[in-house]
Amino acid sequence: SQTIHQWPATLVQPVGSPLSLECTVEGTSNPNLYWYRQAAGRGLQLLFYSVGIGQISSEVPQNLSASRPQDRQFILSSKKLLLSDSGFYLCAWSVLNGGIQETQYFGPGTRLLVL
Amino acid sequence: AQKITQTQPGMFVQEKEAVTLDCTYDTSDQSYGLFWYKQPSSGEMIFLIYQGSYDEQNATEGRYSLNFQKARKSANLVISASQLGDSAMYFCAMTGDSNYQLIWGAGTKLIIKP
Repeated sequence: SQTIHQWPATLVQPVGSPLSLECTVEGTSNPNLYWYRQAAGRGLQLLFYSVGIGQISSEVPQNLSASRPQDRQFILSSKKLLLSDSGFYLCAWSVLNGGIQETQYFGPGTRLLVL
Repeated sequence: AQKITQTQPGMFVQEKEAVTLDCTYDTSDQSYGLFWYKQPSSGEMIFLIYQGSYDEQNATEGRYSLNFQKARKSANLVISASQLGDSAMYFCAMTGDSNYQLIWGAGTKLIIKP
């Protein structure tokens, strides 16, 4: 069965520091991968998605970036964190079948607090 | 553009009662998908149920069913025999313009009372 891992689970970082969040998927090949951010008490905002190694699409301009160095690894980064980057970051995966949207399955998430 | 509306910010329900969480959507697409997710206090987003726009029957998954009324653009989640563990945020979502995009509602906070 497929599983998705995210780490760290919780992170407290000072403003201006770098960020690296990692997401890995097991049990599937060539998944579509997604990074979402959720502000407290709000819905999900799609940040990035990737359909393959090295292929990243950005949905929202910001000081964050994403990379996919391996088929089942997705990394969210920042060179300098802002206070507004605080939130709950969720990684998800899905597999397209015939071009029809498949269900997205989510990881446990990372809570980021920027002080 | 697609839009999802969840009009109930919060609900209190007695344990063992049935619950209906409202979701209405707006789209001009003929083919689309509708999803419900549960987010407990731990934060993980848990997939519950899916309904395709061409599915003639309402989707069911255990105690969860989706009351799909296409003409009214409604996709309400029904939870039968609610349990304390059902207390969580519930999000309705639908497929967006691209295969990779989901449009999310604001969520409904459900609290089950013993």
